[in-house]
Amino acid sequence: DVKVTQSSRYLVKRTGEKVFLECVQDMDHENMFWYRQDPGLGLRLIYFSYDVKMKEKGDIPEGYSVSREKKERFSLILESASTNQTSMYLCASRYPGPYNEQFFGPGTRLTVL
Amino acid sequence: AQTVTQSQPEMSVQEAETVTLSCTYDTSESDYYLFWYKQPPSRQMILVIRQEAYKQQNATENRFSVNFQKAAKSFSLKISDSQLGDAAMYFCAYNANNAGNMLTFGGGTRLMVKP
Repeated sequence: DVKVTQSSRYLVKRTGEKVFLECVQDMDHENMFWYRQDPGLGLRLIYFSYDVKMKEKGDIPEGYSVSREKKERFSLILESASTNQTSMYLCASRYPGPYNEQFFGPGTRLTVL
Repeated sequence: AQTVTQSQPEMSVQEAETVTLSCTYDTSESDYYLFWYKQPPSRQMILVIRQEAYKQQNATENRFSVNFQKAAKSFSLKISDSQLGDAAMYFCAYNANNAGNMLTFGGGTRLMVKP
């Protein structure tokens, strides 16, 4: 079974803090994704990485950056957290190709006070 | 830009009955893929079913089937013999073949199953 894990289920941070969300997958997938999930808006893509050290912006990259130094690990960074970044963050991975299934992590619910 | 619309924020169904969740999408592409993902409460999102646009035959996976109407840009999910474990958020998603990794999701439908 593919396993995608995220470093925290719940996280509370203060405005202006630097926040790191970590994601690890164990299936040697080249592609990894970070999404933000908000009620009524579904999932919106923040960034994705198609290989180590490779990344592309998604639909809502502002205020976020990413890092992928190893194939199995993809980090999402909030340089200076703001209250409008309070949300559920989902990580996913898959083999390359638009037909292929994405495997999701359990999510991190981030609250910025 | 492609958009995916799920017009039913919430649906409910009686256990053992059938329910249909709606999804429409907007695209100018002819080659693409459509998906339904399920997110149970406090559990990880999983793939339920997928459809290739060039295939006319509707996909089925056990109790789950789709009604794919390419001309109408409609992709509904039918759940037969509903079970309590089907209660979840369901997301419709679209990926154009030339869009690489860009999966576009709808806003989701919360399905409640009544015993």
